[in-house]
Amino acid sequence: GENVEQHPSTLSVQEGDSAVIKCTYSDSASNYFPWYKQELGKRPQLIIDIRSNVGEKKDQRIAVTLNKTAKHFSLHITETQPEDSAVYFCAASARSQGNLIFGKGTKLSVKP
Amino acid sequence: KAGVTQTPRYLIKTRGQQVTLSCSPISGHRSVSWYQQTPGQGLQFLFEYFSETQRNKGNFPGRFSGRQFSNSRSEMNVSTLELGDSALYLCASSPYLTDTQYFGPGTRLTVL
Repeated sequence: GENVEQHPSTLSVQEGDSAVIKCTYSDSASNYFPWYKQELGKRPQLIIDIRSNVGEKKDQRIAVTLNKTAKHFSLHITETQPEDSAVYFCAASARSQGNLIFGKGTKLSVKP
Repeated sequence: KAGVTQTPRYLIKTRGQQVTLSCSPISGHRSVSWYQQTPGQGLQFLFEYFSETQRNKGNFPGRFSGRQFSNSRSEMNVSTLELGDSALYLCASSPYLTDTQYFGPGTRLTVL
């Protein structure tokens, strides 16, 4: 079955710097890759997603890139702000499977 | 639209008891998935329901079961509770035939 690995597990940056979180997946049938942000005590919230027919997607300060050949996808946050501090999860899914397989999460701390 | 709701939000049970958790999806969403979140194992898929049918099941023992009603509301049941079942149980709903999943706030289950 699918396995998703996420790195790093913790990431500390200064406000205004960029943050990059990387994930790899094992199942070549996976075709949907969402990223979720989870603040302490709250539900995971979808922040951006990408499908396998697209190489990159941007939404303001957030971007996701996908390399299908290498089975890598990454989250890029530019101009980080303290409110970006949270745990970020990547996930992969093949529609035929109908479920998300999550990475272990990255705890991002943005220091003012 | 109102978001995904889950009841109860918090639950304390003792070993050997059983518990039922409820999830109401976003209006119009017909797919409901359940996940277990723990600090050690992260987010793990339990099962997915679509139109009252279980479409997919994760690697959990048979003590974990679920069902979906005609109005798309879903319940999950855990019988013969064990200490290791203490976790945040999240449900997520999806529109028809899409991958995007939106999470509820979760039910925090503590087994004593």
